[in-house]
Parts: sequence; C-alpha cells; structure tokens
Amino acid sequence: AQSVTQLDSQVPVFEEAPVELRCNYSSSVSVYLFWYVQYPNQGLQLLLKYLSGSTLVKGINGFEAEFNKSQTSFHLRKPSVHISDTAEYFCAVSDPYNQGGKLIFGQGTELSVKP
Amino acid sequence: DAGVTQSPTHLIKTRGQHVTLRCSPISGHKSVSWYQQVLGQGPQFIFQYYEKEERGRGNFPDRFSARQFPNYSSELNVNALLLGDSALYLCASSWTGAVNTEAFFGQGTRLTVV
Repeated sequence: AQSVTQLDSQVPVFEEAPVELRCNYSSSVSVYLFWYVQYPNQGLQLLLKYLSGSTLVKGINGFEAEFNKSQTSFHLRKPSVHISDTAEYFCAVSDPYNQGGKLIFGQGTELSVKP
Repeated sequence: DAGVTQSPTHLIKTRGQHVTLRCSPISGHKSVSWYQQVLGQGPQFIFQYYEKEERGRGNFPDRFSARQFPNYSSELNVNALLLGDSALYLCASSWTGAVNTEAFFGQGTRLTVV
C-alpha cells in the first residue's frame, strides 16, 4: 500500500529565509503527488500537483516542488517565506489507476515563520 | 461562487450516540469525498461518492456510512460513537472524482465525543 512520510513535524524559519519541507513516498510504478496547505481552522487548499511531465512543478504563493523518482521524494520549496505562510503543510499521493480518487496524506509539517 | 459547505461546524456528542454530518459540494461537482483528520495527523480517506454511487472506501469500520443525494450533496453517518471518533471531518468535492482533477475541501466539522 502507498504511504507518505513527511520527515519534519515542525519547521521554524525566519521571515524572508528559504524553506524546504521534505516528503518521501513509498515506491510504485506511477504516482500522482500533491502538496496541500491548511491554515488554522480551515480546510485544505491545493498548492501544487505532479501528474506527469516536467519534474519541477510550480504552484501558488511562490511555492514549487521537485519530483525525484529515484529518491521517491517530492520536496516543497520556497525561496523567501512570509509570515502569512505559517500553516500546516501536507504531502499526499494517489494511485493514478485508483477509481476511488483516494488521497493518502502524510502526517503534516507545521511551518512557523518568525519575524 | 460558494465553496464546499459543511454543517454543522462544531458538535459535541456522547459515546454511543449517532451523528450525521452534511456536505454541499461546489455547484456542478458530482463527486464528494470524506476524510477524517485526528488532531496532529494527516487526513484519512473514508469514502468517495460519484453520481450517487460509492466509488471508494477507506479502512474504517461499518459504523461509518455515507450516501449522496440526487443534488450531489452528501451525508456521513457514524453510529455508536467512540472517544476515538473525535476528529475534524473534511468533505471534498470535484468534477469527476478522478485524482487528476482538483479536490476542493470544506472547512470541516469538528466532532468531539465525550
């Protein structure tokens, strides 16, 4: 069965510094990969997704992620963070051939941006 | 346009009781999925419905059931509540439910079982 590991439960960073949130998934023939953000007391919002094609994926709010098949990783990066980026970030994987549309989420990484 | 709406936003139930959570998808979306998010963890898939039929089911006991109505809204029912059912329940809607189409999440229903 597919699984997702987010290697850091909490990432503190200063404003305007770069950040990387790490995500590894269990290997499979093919996968779809996603990053979601959850602000306090809100639902999940899609940041970006990898379905196929270019391994560097750009998303909203200046975030990007790189799909690395050999490392089975999909790390999320932002070159300069803002206070408003403080939130919980979830990496998720899905089987392209699964008709049920099931997303498998990691445990989440709490990004805390300090002034 | 209204996003995915869930009701109620919060509720408190006693062990052994039954609860019904409701979800209205974005207009035009035909698929609804339900997830359970226990505090400190990522969401866990419970069900997906498309065109009123169950398309996927997660690893949850039979106490959990759901249905989708002709207007594509959905209900999640949980019987014989346990303390461990306390969680944020998220509903997501999408056009077709296929994983390559974006799922839009509601703000969730916070269920506390005491």
